[in-house]
Amino acid sequence: DARVTQTPRHKVTEMGQEVTMRCQPILGHNTVFWYRQTMMQGLELLAYFRNRAPLDDSGMPKDRFSAEMPDATLATLKIQPSEPRDSAVYFCASALPLGDTEAFFGQGTRLTVV
Amino acid sequence: AQKITQTQPGMFVQEKEAVTLDCTYDTSDPSYGLFWYKQPSSGEMIFLIYQGSYDQQNATEGRYSLNFQKARKSANLVISASQLGDSAMYFCAMRENNAGNMLTFGGGTRLMVKP
Repeated sequence: DARVTQTPRHKVTEMGQEVTMRCQPILGHNTVFWYRQTMMQGLELLAYFRNRAPLDDSGMPKDRFSAEMPDATLATLKIQPSEPRDSAVYFCASALPLGDTEAFFGQGTRLTVV
Repeated sequence: AQKITQTQPGMFVQEKEAVTLDCTYDTSDPSYGLFWYKQPSSGEMIFLIYQGSYDQQNATEGRYSLNFQKARKSANLVISASQLGDSAMYFCAMRENNAGNMLTFGGGTRLMVKP
C-alpha cells in the first residue's frame, strides 16, 4: 500500500529551536509539495520540487525556512529559529509530474511552538 | 489574484439530500487539471475526483460528480445522497501545465450533514 510518510506526526518545541520535518514520497513519484495549513491562511504552498530540484519556493519565508531533497526518497523542511507563528500542520504530498494526476498527501506534522 | 475561489465557507445539508460545493478558477493556460479533496476531522487529505481541461464529459466517481463549466471557469462538486460521514472540509485545487503542474488550493468549504 503506497503512501507518503511524514515524521514526526506531532512536535512541540520552544521558540528559537530548530525543527526538522521529514517526508518519504511514494516510490516513483518525482514531484514533491510542502504545504502549511492554518485556520487563518488555509493551505499555503511553501515549496515544490521536481526531480529533487526546487521549482518554486516563493511561498516560503526564506529567512528561517529551508527545504531540500537530499535524495529521491527523502524531503526535509527545516525551520531555524522557530517562532510561535510557525505553529501549524505541515503537509507533504507527492505526485507524478503530469498535470492530470492527483497528489497523495502524508498525514501531516502538527507543529506547536511555545 | 486568487487562482481558486471557494465562496462558501460553510454549508449545511440534510442527510440523503444532494449538495453542490462551488469552485471557480482563474487561468489562461489551456491545459490544466482540477481536483477535489476531502479533509475529515481526522486531518488527512483524501483525493475525491479529477477533471481535465480537455475532458468533454463531467467526471463522476460514485456519489461524487463534477459540474465542469469551462467557459465560466467553474468546477463545482456535487455530492448526491449525503451521508453523515460526508461532514468535512472540501478543497478545490488546480494544476496548470504552464506553472509546472504546481498544485494550488482554494480556501475550502466546511460541509456539515444534518441527521
